[in-house]
Amino acid sequence: NAGVTQTPKFRVLKTGQSMTLLCAQDMNHEYMYWYRQDPGMGLRLIHYSVGEGTTAKGEVPDGYNVSRLKKQNFLLGLESAAPSQTSVYFCASKPSGGRTDTQYFGPGTRLTVL
Amino acid sequence: AQSVAQPEDQVNVAEGNPLTVKCTYSVSGNPYLFWYVQYPNRGLQFLLKYITGDNLVKGSYGFEAEFNKSQTSFHLKKPSALVSDSALYFCAVSGSGYSTLTFGKGTMLLVSP
Repeated sequence: NAGVTQTPKFRVLKTGQSMTLLCAQDMNHEYMYWYRQDPGMGLRLIHYSVGEGTTAKGEVPDGYNVSRLKKQNFLLGLESAAPSQTSVYFCASKPSGGRTDTQYFGPGTRLTVL
Repeated sequence: AQSVAQPEDQVNVAEGNPLTVKCTYSVSGNPYLFWYVQYPNRGLQFLLKYITGDNLVKGSYGFEAEFNKSQTSFHLKKPSALVSDSALYFCAVSGSGYSTLTFGKGTMLLVSP
């Protein structure tokens, strides 16, 4: 049971390039989340999904798109990367919509945009 | 809307001494509160959560947290700190809607030998 995995672990992009971050979970969780972590700002929610085929915007969605074509995968896309998107990106999942459910986090992807 | 405040960017404590990492929250309705820990270059690990009932919640690695409704606080505590407890600690609150978590900015805990 690998839990939540993220691919890649590190990436360097040039301004304007595109890329996709992959999150996979093997716990059969319904809900999945993408966060970004910046120094002194904690974790901020980018997008989330409450089930296969559904997505919703979080606190900082601009410049990102997501897709949840399969229940176990949640993709985060950057169509035209900007230096402001340099950050560490974390994916998380939880079993269902209960407010008391614990979110389980992946190891993160460190992205640098030059 | 919900929010979490962690008033200390950093907490320093000597090994063997008790530690407290502070957290206050604001949320409509009943609060569901969480503490996570992040070790360097790692993802967040769940420590404990408050749902309802006993105001003292026990979690992993000897940590506990005290829920105080009147002060809207959920402070993380440990009776005797270890050097290995040095990490970044996040408090989070679960709000309404689709169960999103709102995180505080984090508190760096440094335990000196």
